[in-house]
Amino acid sequence: QQQVRQSPQSLTVWEGETAILNCSYENSAFDYFPWYQQFPGEGPALLISILSVSDKKEDGRFTIFFNKREKKLSLHIADSQPGDSATYFCAASNSGTYQRFGTGTKLQVVP
Amino acid sequence: GPKVLQIPSHQIIDMGQMVTLNCDPVSNHLYFYWYKQILGQQMEFLVNFYNGKVMEKSKLFKDQFSVERPDGSYFTLKIQPTALEDSAVYFCASSLDRADSDYTFGSGTRLLVI
Repeated sequence: QQQVRQSPQSLTVWEGETAILNCSYENSAFDYFPWYQQFPGEGPALLISILSVSDKKEDGRFTIFFNKREKKLSLHIADSQPGDSATYFCAASNSGTYQRFGTGTKLQVVP
Repeated sequence: GPKVLQIPSHQIIDMGQMVTLNCDPVSNHLYFYWYKQILGQQMEFLVNFYNGKVMEKSKLFKDQFSVERPDGSYFTLKIQPTALEDSAVYFCASSLDRADSDYTFGSGTRLLVI
C-alpha cells in the first residue's frame, strides 16, 4: 500500500510566487521526513528534512510545516525561481528503517 | 559534496541474461541501498545493506536479485535472469550511520531489458 502520498501531482507557479507541495503519511511511527529534489537524468538530492518533534524547519527559501496530529506536512518554496523546476519527493522513515518515498510533485516555475 | 558513483549509466540487455549494476558509495558511509524508479515516478525501495548483510528487502527484491559488497569494492546489484519488467532506472544510495539518516544518491543506471 502507498504509505506516503503527495499532492498535487504537478504544479505550475509564476516566478516569485510561493509553491506549496503537500505530503501525507499513514504510519504514525514515522519520525523523520526528508524532502528530495530531482532533476531529469539525475538522482534525488536531499533538500531539507524535519524530525517529528518539530513543527517547522526553515532553510533559506525552503520551509517545512509539519502537523503530527493530522499526519501531514508541506514544503513551501518562497520566491520560486525557474531553477527550482524539478520533481520533489517527500519521504518518511522511523527507528532506523529505510525511507519510503512519496509519489512526487513535478514543479514548473514559469518566468 | 561527497558523491555516489554508479556504473554503467546505461545498460541494454537481452531478456534472460545477467546484469550487474555497480555502485561506489560515499567513502565513510556504512549503509547502502538500492531503489527502483520507473518513468520518473515513485522511488521504490528494493533493499538495504549493512555490515555485509541484507537488513531489509521489499517484495520487489525478487529471488533473481542479489546484492553484495566484497571488501573495498563496489556495492553491486545483480539480476539473474533479467525480465522485461526489470527495465527501470536503478538508484544506489548510501548513508552515514542509520537507515533513517540523510541519503546520498547516485545518478542512476538506466536498464533496458529487450
